[in-house]
Amino acid sequence: GAGVSQTPSNKVTEKGKYVELRCDPISGHTALYWYRQSLGQGPEFLIYFQGTGAADDSGLPNDRFFAVRPEGSVSTLKIQRTERGDSAVYLCASRGGPNTGELFFGEGSRLTVL
Amino acid sequence: AQTVTQSQPEMSVQEAETVTLSCTYDTSESDYYLFWYKQPPSRQMILVIRQEAYKQQNATENRFSVNFQKAAKSFSLKISDSQLGDAAMYFCAYKWVPYTGANSKLTFGKGITLSVRP
Repeated sequence: GAGVSQTPSNKVTEKGKYVELRCDPISGHTALYWYRQSLGQGPEFLIYFQGTGAADDSGLPNDRFFAVRPEGSVSTLKIQRTERGDSAVYLCASRGGPNTGELFFGEGSRLTVL
Repeated sequence: AQTVTQSQPEMSVQEAETVTLSCTYDTSESDYYLFWYKQPPSRQMILVIRQEAYKQQNATENRFSVNFQKAAKSFSLKISDSQLGDAAMYFCAYKWVPYTGANSKLTFGKGITLSVRP
């Protein structure tokens, strides 16, 4: 597609539920990133994919968070047993060129855990 | 660990005037990249300007320019001839790339909310 697409745009769920957030990067972009942005904060790194593999998952806060990118394109961020503290905007970004190149961001998925 | 500090939570500027947004960072590396991103209410982060640390010349992009002071670890953004469309959150960000193929994750500051008065 023309840009990075994220769905859903907004998600409201109850504490304890399972949530999936989807990112469709720019066509041909091999690098994909997930960031989490809490209210009033800057984005915080969660995980980075190069192709199908997670090259760096050091930002995932705990084992309730998991992400996949099985075919090297679309990625899904999965959150189990959601907690109120997981409420945030989850941003996805992709990059097509060298690792010094620009990241292109989607509009994010706003997750609200009640 | 690298950190990025934006100490001003909010700023306001009159339309057509000039405003400067401040940013400091901390790193022990000598080669890195610095960025300013704009985030409008749509939430999409948009790259405004980037600066390579090895370049002494300050980057400029139309009405946007930076004042990069490497020794002081300071990286401010100047917006000239401010327009209503400039109103947004602005984030300063740092990236270190130790070798080709390494994860080039961005480290962001907390951001600053810029409002533009008509």
